[in-house]
Amino acid sequence: GQQVMQIPQYQHVQEGEDFTTYCNSSTTLSNIQWYKQRPGGHPVFLIQLVKSGEVKKQKRLTFQFGEAKKNSSLHITATQTTDVGTYFCAGPRVQGAQKLVFGQGTRLTINP
Amino acid sequence: NAGVTQTPKFQVLKTGQSMTLQCAQDMNHEYMSWYRQDPGMGLRLIHYSVGAGITDQGEVPNGYNVSRSTTEDFPLRLLSAAPSQTSVYFCASTHGSSYEQYFGPGTRLTVT
Repeated sequence: GQQVMQIPQYQHVQEGEDFTTYCNSSTTLSNIQWYKQRPGGHPVFLIQLVKSGEVKKQKRLTFQFGEAKKNSSLHITATQTTDVGTYFCAGPRVQGAQKLVFGQGTRLTINP
Repeated sequence: NAGVTQTPKFQVLKTGQSMTLQCAQDMNHEYMSWYRQDPGMGLRLIHYSVGAGITDQGEVPNGYNVSRSTTEDFPLRLLSAAPSQTSVYFCASTHGSSYEQYFGPGTRLTVT
């Protein structure tokens, strides 16, 4: 079945360093979403990418959707302690459906 | 708006017991989903509903039942709890025109 793989599983950085997580799907996606989950919290929607090659920015966060719409990345510039958490990517199981398949997540920890 | 609410927050069950996890949303969203989250495995879809009276199986449905009698409520029933069902359970809802999922705060379930 459809799989969404995310790497790395864990990343520890010094505050101020950059961070990137990568997401790869076994199938072409109509869109991809990113979520953030703080420790002990619930996933919160960050962004959705729809177009091939799309790049979106939210302050220090940059999201990219690959040209083939099978991979995506999230890059955080100059991490801050507020960035701590687990970042998930997710794509629809079937095109046009709201059923999502999630990557395993990348857990980011930061040394202040 | 309260968004998506879940009760209880924590629950301990003995093997073989049954219980219902409650989920409600006040955003008039058509789509609702149940996920379980286990370490290193991301969020896995248990059951899904596209509207009142309509449910569908997700990735890991065995051992769980759902029903959707109203737009607002989507309870998840464990018929005979097993230790393998120890997990954190999240309910989520989505508006029909969007893929963005709104998550509840979660229920942490331990089965001994």
